[in-house]
Amino acid sequence: AQSVTQLGSHVSVSEGALVLLRCNYSSSVPPYLFWYVQYPNQGLQLLLKYTSAATLVKGINGFEAEFKKSETSFHLTKPSAHMSDAAEYFCAVRGPGGSYIPTFGRGTSLIVHP
Amino acid sequence: NAGVTQTPKFQVLKTGQSMTLQCAQDMNHNSMYWYRQDPGMGLRLIYYSASEGTTDKGEVPNGYNVSRLNKREFSLRLESAAPSQTSVYFCASSEGDGFSTDTQYFGPGTRLTVL
Repeated sequence: AQSVTQLGSHVSVSEGALVLLRCNYSSSVPPYLFWYVQYPNQGLQLLLKYTSAATLVKGINGFEAEFKKSETSFHLTKPSAHMSDAAEYFCAVRGPGGSYIPTFGRGTSLIVHP
Repeated sequence: NAGVTQTPKFQVLKTGQSMTLQCAQDMNHNSMYWYRQDPGMGLRLIYYSASEGTTDKGEVPNGYNVSRLNKREFSLRLESAAPSQTSVYFCASSEGDGFSTDTQYFGPGTRLTVL
């Protein structure tokens, strides 16, 4: 069964600092990977996804993520944090080789200090 | 284009009461999902429907039933609510009926409290 681990339930950064949110997957076959963001009291929306094309994926709001097969990772980064980036971030994994039903990580809350 | 809509936004129930959460999408998507979100647990899949007329259990189906009324609508029913079902419920949809690369589109959620 495929699974995904997000290291750190909370990440705190200062405004302007680098954002790094970690996601590792467990799957014998490289899966498709997604990052979703959830702003307070809202549903989730897609930030970016990896579907086996380019390993460096650019998303909305200046975020990007790099798929590294050797490390089974798909970490999310942003060079300079804004106050508006404060939200909950979820990594998710789907097939191939496993179920097309997504499996979500437990989420990482990003806190941005002025 | 409203996307995915959910009703109600908030609900308080007493133990043993029943209710139905409604979800509709206007994107002509084939797949629809129901999740619950609890602190520190991420999103857990309750039921999903890969196409009109089919439904399947997810990770945590006990205590819930679903109906795919038509292509647009997918409802979640709690027959006898329990305090353990206090949660935020999200409905989602995606275009295909089995495509792993599809993006999921989420509704705004229903906050349910069971006393």
